[in-house]
Amino acid sequence: DGGITQSPKYLFRKEGQNVTLSCEQNLNHDAMYWYRQDPGQGLRLIYYSQIVNDFQKGDIAEGYSVSREKKESFPLTVTSAQKNPTAFYLCASSIDLGGSVGEQYFGPGTRLTVT
Amino acid sequence: GEDVEQSLFLSVREGDSSVINCTYTDSSSTYLYWYKQEPGAGLQLLTYIFSNMDMKQDQRLTVLLNKKDKHLSLRIADTQTGDSAIYFCAETRYTGGFKTIFGAGTRLFVKA
Repeated sequence: DGGITQSPKYLFRKEGQNVTLSCEQNLNHDAMYWYRQDPGQGLRLIYYSQIVNDFQKGDIAEGYSVSREKKESFPLTVTSAQKNPTAFYLCASSIDLGGSVGEQYFGPGTRLTVT
Repeated sequence: GEDVEQSLFLSVREGDSSVINCTYTDSSSTYLYWYKQEPGAGLQLLTYIFSNMDMKQDQRLTVLLNKKDKHLSLRIADTQTGDSAIYFCAETRYTGGFKTIFGAGTRLFVKA
């Protein structure tokens, strides 16, 4: 089955530690995205990538880093520089950045708790 | 501004129609979407409408777009308890590059 997966579903870390969230898709999509979701707020874009070996900062990139070495994979690292990292993180992919319908397919999310 | 705005909560009785409203600010929108998010899960696309359309119907869902007022609505007919979720309005706009903006989401409660 085609889809987008994120792991793990729940992640706990101590303050000061870096942590990497996994995102994999087998939809053959060029574009991938990372969003952060906080209660009562819309999705905020952290980073996006429109093609392998290329990625761009979104609206709240500070304290995060990404890589796009393979088309299928777009891991997100939450660094110790991120001041408020506890949140629900959603990965998404789309055929391209929006030139077609632009529908995004979302993974199930990773809930990160930092104490 | 970049805002896509929605009210945060809506409560309806089972069997009634639900209408979730959304306003957006950018006239360069290409597509507008409604996504559904169930608890602890990712978002799932429900339906979308191209910006040159004013209505789209898909089974129990009706999307109305008033481009002049920049107002988008989602009507769910015969609302069921399984429709309880958060509904996100989103738009894709082109301003030198494509960008998708999401609203804060409307939490729909369906009372039996």
